[in-house]
Amino acid sequence: QVQLVESGGGVVQPGRSLRLSCAASGLTFSDYAMHWVRQAPGRGLEWVAVVSEDGSNKFFADSVKGRFTISRDNSKNTVFLQMNSLRVDDTAVYYCARDRGGAAGIIGWFDPWGQGNLVTVSS
Amino acid sequence: SSELTQDPAVSVALGQTVRITCQGDSLRNYYATWYQQKPGQAPVLVIYDKDRRPSGIPDRFSASSSGNTASLTITGAQAEDEADYYCNSRDNSGNFVYVFGAGTKVTVL
Repeated sequence: QVQLVESGGGVVQPGRSLRLSCAASGLTFSDYAMHWVRQAPGRGLEWVAVVSEDGSNKFFADSVKGRFTISRDNSKNTVFLQMNSLRVDDTAVYYCARDRGGAAGIIGWFDPWGQGNLVTVSS
Repeated sequence: SSELTQDPAVSVALGQTVRITCQGDSLRNYYATWYQQKPGQAPVLVIYDKDRRPSGIPDRFSASSSGNTASLTITGAQAEDEADYYCNSRDNSGNFVYVFGAGTKVTVL
């Protein structure tokens, strides 16, 4: 059974940085691309970023491009989201999700999702 | 970037059929993927790869598409189907960038 557990969230001031982690178990982690998706309080889902299986390809939503980076450590079954220059509108629950595509690469089928981790950007 | 448009809310009587639609230019090139989210929970994949259901998703969930419109149909809606439903597809930019619809709240009466 695949499990994803996010950590690293909390309260941070505007302009500061935060790094989220997502630890995976129950899968061959290096076989799958991994995504981050966020959800502002009371709002819908917003895709944030994806990293390919080997970490060589990374793509970002326009709203975070240049401020957020995504990386992974396949030896530790963990994907990271480094968030810099945080803004109030980055406040959200951040979910990591496996890309179900597997050997097919980045397909965009998010399954499963972690339980989410709240990031609050406030002064 | 592409946008996906969903109706904010729909209601369905218990045991009846409801269709949720999603419109956007990217759907002319990419199939929609559908997610269910219940209050306080993480989203769950319900439809992928055009019309496939992950194990554990009841066969009352089905999907179709035509032109720039994708649809998720719940045939014989149950009380436990009351949730928010989001469509998602790859953006038309050519990169691996993804976009969600704003979500449809399904109420089972």
